[in-house]
Amino acid sequence: DTEVTQTPKHLVMGMTNKKSLKCEQHMGHRAMYWYKQKAKKPPELMFVYSYEKLSINESVPSRFSPECPNSSLLNLHLHALQPEDSALYLCASSQDGLSGGLEQYFGPGTRLTVT
Amino acid sequence: KQEVTQIPAALSVPEGENLVLNCSFTDSAIYNLQWFRQDPGKGLTSLLLIQSSQREQTSGRLNASLDKSSGRSTLYIAASQPGDSATYLCAVIDNNDMRFGAGTRLTVKP
Repeated sequence: DTEVTQTPKHLVMGMTNKKSLKCEQHMGHRAMYWYKQKAKKPPELMFVYSYEKLSINESVPSRFSPECPNSSLLNLHLHALQPEDSALYLCASSQDGLSGGLEQYFGPGTRLTVT
Repeated sequence: KQEVTQIPAALSVPEGENLVLNCSFTDSAIYNLQWFRQDPGKGLTSLLLIQSSQREQTSGRLNASLDKSSGRSTLYIAASQPGDSATYLCAVIDNNDMRFGAGTRLTVKP
């Protein structure tokens, strides 16, 4: 099973809402990632969890709050977002962290619209 | 800071043609390079991974090469099919970062 699942597929939220994005993998991978992709742009790395510890935070605003409850699950908590945060949010996983140089597997993404 | 460039930005070919997509990067100290395919509004599908110690990888009609010293990778697609139409992205991992190129949008016409 090489599948990474993400829920929900689509999310529309107001600027005052609090919502969460969820990501799950059952490949036994120990590293999980959040990426943000704006329309017609490449993905940009936001956060990396390695062995359930936050190892990389690419200067992401605090209105985005990641959480890794266990090695199979990754959440992204959203609060007080801005319209410019509207994007496709992609989750990925790999056997080891970035320095392991191993293949990353991506989920289908959550399309977020902030109104 | 690593910069990844993909040329061309868009490519349209008739079905059956062989084609080459190019990826270049500025810092050769990479751990690996990965090629992905992305259909509109969808996630990324991994095509090939080349470790820094490798020169090429093959999967079916796809062949990817890596020349670390010159900072280049190519993705060769043989006998292209309309189903190959998608955006192809290369990404490099180095020093705790994964950086993508802007992609090549490929259209294969029947």
